[in-house]
Formats: sequence, structure tokens, C-alpha cells
Amino acid sequence: EDQVTQSPEALRLQEGESSSLNCSYTVSGLRGLFWYRQDPGKGPEFLFTLYSAGEEKEKERLKATLTKKESFLHITAPKPEDSATYLCAVQDNSGAGSYQLTFGKGTKLSVIP
Amino acid sequence: SQTIHQWPATLVQPVGSPLSLECTVEGTSNPNLYWYRQAAGRGLQLLFYSVGIGQISSEVPQNLSASRPQDRQFILSSKKLLLSDSGFYLCAGRWGTEKLFFGSGTQLSVL
Repeated sequence: EDQVTQSPEALRLQEGESSSLNCSYTVSGLRGLFWYRQDPGKGPEFLFTLYSAGEEKEKERLKATLTKKESFLHITAPKPEDSATYLCAVQDNSGAGSYQLTFGKGTKLSVIP
Repeated sequence: SQTIHQWPATLVQPVGSPLSLECTVEGTSNPNLYWYRQAAGRGLQLLFYSVGIGQISSEVPQNLSASRPQDRQFILSSKKLLLSDSGFYLCAGRWGTEKLFFGSGTQLSVL
């Protein structure tokens, strides 16, 4: 069974204070790892897909990296508008699992001005 | 572009009442469609997915059901709601790639 654990559950940062969110995963064979951003009362919004260890992707102040057991979402010089819950999900490469993603519980990020 | 429409945004229902949540999608035909539930303090839980009209796979035994009468329509139903059915319900779609597009969600409160 695929498992995704995100840490910390909540993170408070001062504006400009860089940090990282962690996503540890267990999957029989990784087809893809996904990061989403979710604002309160809204559906998740796609950020990145990573497919293999060593891969990195960037978007504005966010950078996602992937190893064989975990992924990090690095936030550089965050702004208050980066406050949201960040979700990590994995998709395995088995026949049944290829149709679904397994999500972590998320990290709630608060950036204080 | 792919868009997921869900309504209503919020819904308050008494225990034992029926439920029908509708999701419609815009974009290329034949998407895979999904219903997720998000409860407070828990991750997104996959409830149902569909790879085509009339094809439904259930992931969690419960008193909910799903149907896909048209390619771009996905419906979540219940004959009698339970308190434990409260949560944030999300419809999602996938077109060819692994990326999921989500709707804006329905916050269901069963009282």
C-alpha cells in the first residue's frame, strides 16, 4: 500500500525566511510525485510533477526536489501570499494504482508579514 | 483548457436525507474522473473513479455511490446521509497525463 507522510504539519515563517517542506513516501514503483497548493475552501492547484530521483523543478519562489524516498518543497524568501496548505501525492506504476494518487495530509504554511 | 465545475459550494443536510452532488467538466473528451473527500486533519481520500461512461470503481465501502451518465458528468449520491459523511468533497479530472485538475469543492455538513 502506498504511503505519503508530510512534515511538519504546520509551519510559520516570517516574510523572507526560507525553509523546506518534506514529503516522505513509500511506493512499490514510483510513476510520479506531485505537489499541489490548496487555499482554504478551494480545490488543490497543481504545482509540480517529478518523475525520477535527482529531478528538480522551479516556479517563482518554489523549488521541488526528489530522491528515492522523499521530496522537498523549498520556499525561498516567502511572501504572505504563499500562505496555503501544500499537498504531496504519489502515483505508483502498478496497473490499478496508475489511475489514482495517494495524498499526504499536507503542510499548512503561514507566512507572517 | 480543462475545467471542473462543482456545485453547490456549501450544503447543509439533515441526517437520513438524500444527497446528489454533480460535477461537469470542460475539455477534451474521455477524461478519467474522480471523487475525493477531505476531512479535517486527514488527507484526500479517493472515493470513486471512472474511466468512462457507466464505469465506476469504488475505493471505500460506504453508503455513497457514484454514476457517470455522460462523458463529462460525474455524480455522487447517497440515499441516506450519515453524520460521518460530512466533509469537503472534490471532483477531479485527468486527461491523458497524470496531472489532476480539481474543482472548487463542496463543503457538506450533515446535522
